[in-house]
Amino acid sequence: EAQVTQNPRYLITVTGKKLTVTCSQNMNHEYMSWYRQDPGLGLRQIYYSMNVEVTDKGDVPEGYKVSRKEKRNFPLILESPSPNQTSLYFCASRTRSSYNEQFFGPGTRLTVL
Amino acid sequence: KNQVEQSPQSLIILEGKNCTLQCNYTVSPFSNLRWYKQDTGRGPVSLTIMTFSENTKSNGRYTATLDADTKQSSLHITASQLSDSASYICVVITISNFGNEKLTFGTGTRLTIIP
Repeated sequence: EAQVTQNPRYLITVTGKKLTVTCSQNMNHEYMSWYRQDPGLGLRQIYYSMNVEVTDKGDVPEGYKVSRKEKRNFPLILESPSPNQTSLYFCASRTRSSYNEQFFGPGTRLTVL
Repeated sequence: KNQVEQSPQSLIILEGKNCTLQCNYTVSPFSNLRWYKQDTGRGPVSLTIMTFSENTKSNGRYTATLDADTKQSSLHITASQLSDSASYICVVITISNFGNEKLTFGTGTRLTIIP
């Protein structure tokens, strides 16, 4: 089944404790991206990647890192999480063309205490 | 400032009735516009993708319209079903001269269908 998977789905952590949220897709998509969704603000793009070893900042990249060493994986790294990073995170992927459908993962709900 | 505004914020209708959701944008240059459906606690799912030259596109009971001159789009849902209860998100995509893509999301309309 074609899909985008994220792990973990739920995470509660404390300020300053490094964490990684994994994202994997099995559709051989070139483009992958991370979003956060907060009440009243809608989805905002954190980082995106056009292909392996090619990443770029979205609208809200501060406090996050990403890497794209393999085509299928695009992990999101929070080196020193803070409470303002408490949010619902989505990974998404699509083919190179922006006219094609973007597939979203199921989401990761992160709480930073 | 590039913005996408959706209205209403929330809507409650009876099962079987039709409804129309609105999306106004100031984003430019325009590349394409998408409507997504997001069930509570789940990732958004694409309903329609429209380019500049398209003014109507249907996906089952969902019909999206686009007026690129007035920068307005609407999503019409026909014969609503309980499973249509969800948030509906409008997204406008721009592509710069350098090929960089930017997505601007609306905050969504929360639709509730009651029996």
